[in-house]
Amino acid sequence: DAGVIQSPRHEVTEMGQEVTLRCKPISGHNSLFWYRQTMMRGLELLIYFNNNVPIDDSGMPEDRFSAKMPNASFSTLKIQPSEPRDSAVYFCASSRTVGGTYEQYFGPGTRLTVT
Amino acid sequence: GQQVMQIPQYQHVQEGEDFTTYCNSSTTLSNIQWYKQRPGGHPVFLIQLVKSGEVKKQKRLTFQFGEAKKNSSLHITATQTTDVGTYFCAGPSSGDKLTFGTGTRLAVRP
Repeated sequence: DAGVIQSPRHEVTEMGQEVTLRCKPISGHNSLFWYRQTMMRGLELLIYFNNNVPIDDSGMPEDRFSAKMPNASFSTLKIQPSEPRDSAVYFCASSRTVGGTYEQYFGPGTRLTVT
Repeated sequence: GQQVMQIPQYQHVQEGEDFTTYCNSSTTLSNIQWYKQRPGGHPVFLIQLVKSGEVKKQKRLTFQFGEAKKNSSLHITATQTTDVGTYFCAGPSSGDKLTFGTGTRLAVRP
């Protein structure tokens, strides 16, 4: 299995630009999670989907952030407009969950730098 | 909300020394998971503990779940340079969510 795939691996953009991060979860996994990691705040859950439906987006910082999961094999996290404080590593993780918590498999992450 | 704290935040050991990180939850957990993140890498699942007082071993790593299911520990015997990284514990919160601990960063002097 290829594992969780994320693209791009690195993104450098200017403040005000739109950024789209992409994720392909492991086939057969029914839950998908978007995390943000910074030195100051650690690993934060932004949003998670179960069976392609957003379940909890309480971690999304503000309206500039949006996430979609149009099908079981693809999800996007969009930031519009981006700001320097959005600079972080964004991880996508997937899991097979059936009435409980199971291990999460993380992608390699996207390192976002907003100048 | 649920909080999961880990101590120490950072530890620097000589290769061959032992290392322990402690994880404490503000709430009782149904299970606890441990992850390792190498520098520049992503978190990788190590193990899950479910039963009160459970102890599991993976080679030089020993994981323990407290009797009250609110704390856990990871002990590494005779550290090696390959053990370098940040170790996170994580406990379930609501739904399928995990609350990750603050992490312990381990550095090993060769």
